[in-house]
Amino acid sequence: AQSVTQLGSHVSVSEGALVLLRCNYSSSVPPYLFWYVQYPNQGLQLLLKYTTGATLVKGINGFEAEFKKSETSFHLTKPSAHMSDAAEYFCAVKVDTGRRALTFGSGTRLQVQP
Amino acid sequence: DAGITQSPRHKVTETGTPVTLRCHQTENHRYMYWYRQDPGHGLRLIHYSYGVKDTDKGEVSDGYSVSRSKTEDFLLTLESATSSQTSVYFCAISDSGQGVSYTFGSGTRLTVV
Repeated sequence: AQSVTQLGSHVSVSEGALVLLRCNYSSSVPPYLFWYVQYPNQGLQLLLKYTTGATLVKGINGFEAEFKKSETSFHLTKPSAHMSDAAEYFCAVKVDTGRRALTFGSGTRLQVQP
Repeated sequence: DAGITQSPRHKVTETGTPVTLRCHQTENHRYMYWYRQDPGHGLRLIHYSYGVKDTDKGEVSDGYSVSRSKTEDFLLTLESATSSQTSVYFCAISDSGQGVSYTFGSGTRLTVV
């Protein structure tokens, strides 16, 4: 079965600083990988996803992630944090072609300091 | 999100009472899912459906049942609500193509007192 580990339940950065949110997965077959963002009292919004092809994936709001098979990682980055980036971020993986359900990590809350 | 709605948005219920949450989609997607979100656990799959009257269990299905009598509706029932089922419940839909796209509803906040 697949699983996802997000390192750091809380991350705090200064406005303008690099954002790095870590995600590692376990899977015996090539995975599909996702990053979602959740703002307070809202649902989940897709930031980006990796399915096949180019391993560097660009998403919305200036975020990007790189699929590294050798490291089983899919870390999320943004060069310069903005106050509006404060939210909770979830990494998810799908490998089960039967039920097609996503398996989520436990989430990372990003705080952006002025 | 456009195309998927959950009702109610908020509900407070008493321990031992049955509760039904509704997920409605207008996208004609084959797959539908119910997740619960709890602090420190992310989202965990309760049940999912891969077609009308075709459902199966997820990782945290105990105490929950589902039904899907129409493509557009996926109901989640708590047979006898307990305080441990206080959570935020999200419905999601997915197409059956290779694009692998998931859309989430806005959630239902359920409090069991």
